Amino acid sequence: NAGVTQTPKFRVLKTGQSMTLLCAQDMNHEYMYWYRQDPGMGLRLIHYSVGEGTTAKGEVPDGYNVSRLKKQNFLLGLESAAPSQTSVYFCASSWGGNNQPQHFGDGTRLSIL
Amino acid sequence: AQSVTQLDSHVSVSEGTPVLLRCNYSSSYSPSLFWYVQHPNKGLQLLLKYTSAATLVKGINGFEAEFKKSETSFHLTKPSAHMSDAAEYFCVVSDPNTGKLIFGQGTTLQVKP
Repeated sequence: NAGVTQTPKFRVLKTGQSMTLLCAQDMNHEYMYWYRQDPGMGLRLIHYSVGEGTTAKGEVPDGYNVSRLKKQNFLLGLESAAPSQTSVYFCASSWGGNNQPQHFGDGTRLSIL
Repeated sequence: AQSVTQLDSHVSVSEGTPVLLRCNYSSSYSPSLFWYVQHPNKGLQLLLKYTSAATLVKGINGFEAEFKKSETSFHLTKPSAHMSDAAEYFCVVSDPNTGKLIFGQGTTLQVKP
């Protein structure tokens, strides 16, 4: 009964380093999403995917890349981390469509020094 | 374009008293609306959703919300607050074409003993 699992839960990086955040879901959902959460700003969509092999830009895509090579996994990459990318990152998945709720992971807390 | 506005950034109630968290929406379509709750250091959990079947929607943990088209509102209520209700609450509208969620800024609910 795992749902959506994010790895790692915490990470500290230095400016300029790269890293990949992994999201895995076991609900066979078609759609997957990456958000960032910053104080007072709610959640903002970074990138999303409507199926295996597809990705699309969200509201704040700059500085991030994603890949969806397998249906159950959605990877978020930071090629050259910047302090402005310090945030809490959430992955979500859903069946897709207008009235389908999204299921969220517990988040990855990322600090860029 | 869809948007939501949560009218209070912070609400404080005493345990056992009613809870009211206010949300107004803007949508070009008949909207799908959600309320999510986020407890500290956790992901978001779906409380309830409105998808035009009934204007009064019942959710988990005794919460409910009423869709009022004439007022473009979707306020969240609970008759009697419990200490465990202390959390961040997000009102959310769904984009009908992509299923993307548009989040409000969030309302922090404090419950005093």
